[in-house]
Amino acid sequence: NAGVTQTPKFRILKIGQSMTLQCTQDMNHNYMYWYRQDPGMGLKLIYYSVGAGITDKGEVPNGYNVSRSTTEDFPLRLELAAPSQTSVYFCASTKQGEGKNIQYFGAGTRLSVL
Amino acid sequence: AQKITQTQPGMFVQEKEAVTLDCTYDTSDQSYGLFWYKQPSSGEMIFLIYQGSYDEQNATEGRYSLNFQKARKSANLVISASQLGDSAMYFCAMREGFPGNQFYFGTGTSLTVIP
Repeated sequence: NAGVTQTPKFRILKIGQSMTLQCTQDMNHNYMYWYRQDPGMGLKLIYYSVGAGITDKGEVPNGYNVSRSTTEDFPLRLELAAPSQTSVYFCASTKQGEGKNIQYFGAGTRLSVL
Repeated sequence: AQKITQTQPGMFVQEKEAVTLDCTYDTSDQSYGLFWYKQPSSGEMIFLIYQGSYDEQNATEGRYSLNFQKARKSANLVISASQLGDSAMYFCAMREGFPGNQFYFGTGTSLTVIP
């Protein structure tokens, strides 16, 4: 059972560089989410998607972009990396309509911007 | 206002004892869901237990139970018979509204189980 897979696990970026954090799920979940977790803090929602072609902003979307061309994939793009984006990024997915809407998380991507 | 408040940054519990981790929430929606997740030092987020706003019974999952007090807007996690492997960060979260696109997480409680 792969579940939610995130790549890479670790990455160091220089200020101004760009990168894409990959997220894929094999559970046929319609909803997918991106969160960031800063040290000693809870998770904050960056973007979410309710299905292929549909995305919307969460609590902290500035500096990020997303796309959802397939049900399985939900990449997160950082265009001009800044030190404030140093964080751990989690992708999650859920099956809307099953009642509980339990979110299942990937293992996370630890990103440092120097 | 914070949607989810966890007031205990750190907690200690003796092995085999029970411990309660506090969580209060803020919503004006009638339909919402409450979740607890465990984050061990390895970093992954592990789902523990769920309580729906319309559920009349407190949720239980093995050694985990959720003490749901709707009028007080609290959703405390009770871990019975603590084990060393329970040492981790614990996060309370809320899915608000229907269909519930937004999730909110608390700042977490670090639980340490003492042998």
